[in-house]
Amino acid sequence: DAMVIQNPRYQVTQFGKPVTLSCSQTLNHNVMYWYQQKSSQAPKLLFHYYDKDFNNEADTPDNFQSRRPNTSFCFLDIRSPGLGDAAMYLCATSRTRGDTQYFGPGTRLTVL
Amino acid sequence: AQSVTQPDIHITVSEGASLELRCNYSYGATPYLFWYVQSPGQGLQLLLKYFSGDTLVQGIKGFEAEFKRSQSSFNLRKPSVHWSDAAEYFCAVAPKEYGNKLVFGAGTILRVKS
Repeated sequence: DAMVIQNPRYQVTQFGKPVTLSCSQTLNHNVMYWYQQKSSQAPKLLFHYYDKDFNNEADTPDNFQSRRPNTSFCFLDIRSPGLGDAAMYLCATSRTRGDTQYFGPGTRLTVL
Repeated sequence: AQSVTQPDIHITVSEGASLELRCNYSYGATPYLFWYVQSPGQGLQLLLKYFSGDTLVQGIKGFEAEFKRSQSSFNLRKPSVHWSDAAEYFCAVAPKEYGNKLVFGAGTILRVKS
């Protein structure tokens, strides 16, 4: 059974056109994370929610925002995608901070 | 600087041969330790983790890892590699001084030759 679901798996957008990526979880975990992974690189944490508490990484561009309307769902909004934002975006969840993180299959974003 | 190091970017092994992937970290207190595997175009799958206790941990798919405090290492091993093990492997640590957020190594790409 899928535990962390990401939609869509592939997303194509135009330069500057806002895009939203979706993540949902069936684990009832408190923490949800968004990572950016560029080709041949390790995942880079953008931000995370601990319950409703939003935690932004210091070097995450303002262009990236997130929403968590309830425990199960978390969204990544890219307000004005640039070519450099083309990447795999991974969502992960954990029961609490420091606990094992479970990853979704990722959304591959292409910016034209 | 505090970091996670996977010194091997690429490793090629023959099918049936043994495998060891290296991981070293440099954080003050022993962090939580993880190994993840990623197939092309996929998310990360947890292979195994170490929080405390027995320093030899068993994971899925026949993998194991040994934590060595004196060497600040958490090397991943498999006695006999299968072609389906070809993937990228990430070591990750969750340092207490970093709020227990995951810090990843750069990854090791494993190729398996028949």
